[in-house]
Amino acid sequence: AQSVTQPDIHITVSEGASLELRCNYSYGATPYLFWYVQSPGQGLQLLLKYFSGDTLVQGIKGFEAEFKRSQSSFNLRKPSVHWSDAAEYFCALMTTDSWGKLQFGAGTQVVVTP
Amino acid sequence: GAGVSQTPSNKVTEKGKYVELRCDPISGHTALYWYRQSLGQGPEFLIYFQGTGAADDSGLPNDRFFAVRPEGSVSTLKIQRTERGDSAVYLCASSSRDGSPLHFGNGTRLTVT
Repeated sequence: AQSVTQPDIHITVSEGASLELRCNYSYGATPYLFWYVQSPGQGLQLLLKYFSGDTLVQGIKGFEAEFKRSQSSFNLRKPSVHWSDAAEYFCALMTTDSWGKLQFGAGTQVVVTP
Repeated sequence: GAGVSQTPSNKVTEKGKYVELRCDPISGHTALYWYRQSLGQGPEFLIYFQGTGAADDSGLPNDRFFAVRPEGSVSTLKIQRTERGDSAVYLCASSSRDGSPLHFGNGTRLTVT
């Protein structure tokens, strides 16, 4: 069975500083990988996705993620965070034979300080 | 255009009662998904509809949970004999076809007292 691990439950970062959120997955092949963001009381918004090809993926709001097969990782990065980036971030996996059936990590709560 | 709409946004019910949660997908989206998000957790898959039929209901926790999509558009998630452990945010998502991104609604927060 597949799984997604987000090792950091909570991260605090200063506005303007860089941000990296870790995501590790377990699956026997290369899955589809996603990062979603959830603000309080809001639904999940897709930041970016990896299906195949270039392992560095660009997303919305200045985010990027890098797929590393050797490390089974898909870490999310942003060079300079804004106060509006404070939210919960979820990494998710989907297998190639079950479109729509996302397996989510437990999430990382990001707090941005002035 | 309008996104995925879920009603009600909040629902409080007593243990043992029956509840229905509604999802209006984006117009034209044939695929519809229900997820459940418990406090402090990531969302968990419940059921997937392609058109009117449930293509995958492997995530439904037990037979108290049932979902329908009779005309291939609006879906209703039904929970019988609610338990306090059913308290969670129930999320609905839709997509235009396999391979296209899921668009999530804002969810229904269900509280069972």
